Amino acid sequence: DIQMTQSPSSVSASVGDRVTITCRASQDISRWLAWYQQKPGKAPNLLISDASSLQSGVPSRFSGSGSGTDFSLTISSLQPEDFATYYCQQAKSFPITFGQGTRLEIK
Amino acid sequence: QVTLRESGPALVRPTQTLTLTCTFSGFSLSTRGMCVTWIRQPPGKALEWLARIDWDDDKYYSASLKNRLTLSKDISKNQVVLTMTDMDPVDTATYYCARMVDHGDYFDYWGQGTLVTVSS
Repeated sequence: DIQMTQSPSSVSASVGDRVTITCRASQDISRWLAWYQQKPGKAPNLLISDASSLQSGVPSRFSGSGSGTDFSLTISSLQPEDFATYYCQQAKSFPITFGQGTRLEIK
Repeated sequence: QVTLRESGPALVRPTQTLTLTCTFSGFSLSTRGMCVTWIRQPPGKALEWLARIDWDDDKYYSASLKNRLTLSKDISKNQVVLTMTDMDPVDTATYYCARMVDHGDYFDYWGQGTLVTVSS
């Protein structure tokens, strides 16, 4: 199985801050990576697929980059609605695997 | 408008079999390329992919759960059914069904999830 490791596990930031979350795959996954946002009690919401393709309707302050084994999600200017847990997910091979999550909290 | 909704028991006894139904609208699982996936999330923990069923009835299962999982679909009812045998308290989780996008194993529409508790 491909292991996905996110860092940090949690981060505190303020509205307006720039935040970057990283995700490392245990083997080369090319650009087969997605990022999801999940709020308490809700299903995950797909933000980015193919490492950097923003889903329709997702604000442009979200961006993704990377390929191979190292990836990142950047939120350029945090908004109050961005405080949530973020997950990366590889789509290179079965079983599909997710990172352990990064909790983004208000400072 | 694409929607998915999970249904099934909220409480299951250990060793029992869980049956969950995903009822969806806004797409057809008879359309080439369409796939529906099941994912679960134990309370306070990360997401775990379970299984996928395709438009052509191909099925894929988590290797660690393969012997316990079965997927089926009913095209006329727009439903996918997941059964999981020999339930254990560690299987307590919110179970989601989700639709796969057309260009890879990414999930663009999700149900609201159903919490299944395994307890005697």
